[in-house]
Amino acid sequence: DGGITQSPKYLFRKEGQNVTLSCEQNLNHDAMYWYRQDPGQGLRLIYYSQIVNDFQKGDIAEGYSVSREKKESFPLTVTSAQKNPTAFYLCASSPAGADTQYFGPGTRLTVL
Amino acid sequence: QKEVEQDPGPLSVPEGAIVSLNCTYSNSAFQYFMWYRQYSRKGPELLMYTYSSGNKEDGRFTAQVDKSSKYISLFIRDSQPSDSATYLCAMSSSGYSSASKIIFGSGTRLSIRP
Repeated sequence: DGGITQSPKYLFRKEGQNVTLSCEQNLNHDAMYWYRQDPGQGLRLIYYSQIVNDFQKGDIAEGYSVSREKKESFPLTVTSAQKNPTAFYLCASSPAGADTQYFGPGTRLTVL
Repeated sequence: QKEVEQDPGPLSVPEGAIVSLNCTYSNSAFQYFMWYRQYSRKGPELLMYTYSSGNKEDGRFTAQVDKSSKYISLFIRDSQPSDSATYLCAMSSSGYSSASKIIFGSGTRLSIRP
């Protein structure tokens, strides 16, 4: 099956810890994105990547980091510098030249 | 003022009713308009995609864009309990997602009563 997978589905973190969220796609899409979703605020762009080994900050990149070593993978690290990390995190991808994005199932991160 | 405004609801209608969901926007450069459906604790799935003004129909769903009023709508005919979800509008100004930025509405929560 083609698609986007995110793992884990639920993640709990203690304050002061870094944590990495996984995103993998087998759609052969060039671009990948990370969003954060909070109640009543819609989707906010954290980072995006157009090609391997290149990525750009979105609107709320502070406290997050990413890498794009492979076309299929775009992991997101939530660092201890992120002051309010509890949220639902969504990964998306899109083919080159397209204006639509396809989303993974999401990871719900809770900081204890 | 947000670039995209969407009433958060919740909107509750009886099964079989026609549902109208709407978004307004302020950026006249937007040309690509999308509707996503998001079930609880799931990722959004693309429902409708339209370019510029006009209507697009897909089964029970119709997307309408009025660029002169900066207003987009999604109509659901013969609504079913399985349509209960949050509906997000989204829009962008570029034809290349790698260079464009998609702006999402905050979503309208819809509930269809059996």
